[in-house]
Amino acid sequence: ETGVTQTPRHLVMGMTNKKSLKCEQHLGHNAMYWYKQSAKKPLELMFVYNFKEQTENNSVPSRFSPECPNSSHLFLHLHTLQPEDSALYLCASSRDWRATNEKLFFGSGTQLSVL
Amino acid sequence: DQQVKQNSPSLSVQEGRISILNCDYTNSMFDYFLWYKKYPAEGPTFLISISSIKDKNEDGRFTVFLNKSAKHLSLHIVPSQPGDSAVYFCAASAKGNNRLAFGKGNQVVVIP
Repeated sequence: ETGVTQTPRHLVMGMTNKKSLKCEQHLGHNAMYWYKQSAKKPLELMFVYNFKEQTENNSVPSRFSPECPNSSHLFLHLHTLQPEDSALYLCASSRDWRATNEKLFFGSGTQLSVL
Repeated sequence: DQQVKQNSPSLSVQEGRISILNCDYTNSMFDYFLWYKKYPAEGPTFLISISSIKDKNEDGRFTVFLNKSAKHLSLHIVPSQPGDSAVYFCAASAKGNNRLAFGKGNQVVVIP
């Protein structure tokens, strides 16, 4: 148990659907992250929120829309996705995005399949 | 452009022997390096880290070695145990933020 909870664990959606991924952390951290892990590729940073403000958008297509209502919750809203968006989506948190020598705490991920 | 590289995607080792995982990086601004371990259907969990001011860090059965001049680090697991069977990711960050760059991961299988 890492203190970072993601739901749902698995999601299958059609290309015209709209769905949301949810992440919650109970560690008192102020930075939250979305990462994408595709098969045979390194983890790719998508978005970073620090104290609820978006500090990083790593050239992510607009069909992915993040939301961070407070430091404990992070959402990823999905709409009109493509089959190549099928991947494991990981949420993570840390004390502060600007702090150095920090480790990230990851959730278990949402395995997304787009049909 | 991949800044953190892990070659030899999989490793099989006998229980009780040493597992050695290697990682190379290209960005000379990296000053903090981490290893994460991932079981199937779980997220990565932090294993061990090393700052660029050190060349070795040890935690129980896990030791990380850093060779800055070669831009190379390695993770040694000794003795290896069946529970160590997992995917191991190398990651690195530079001063100023927590933007971690990850390698593709190494699958380790420890044979009882």
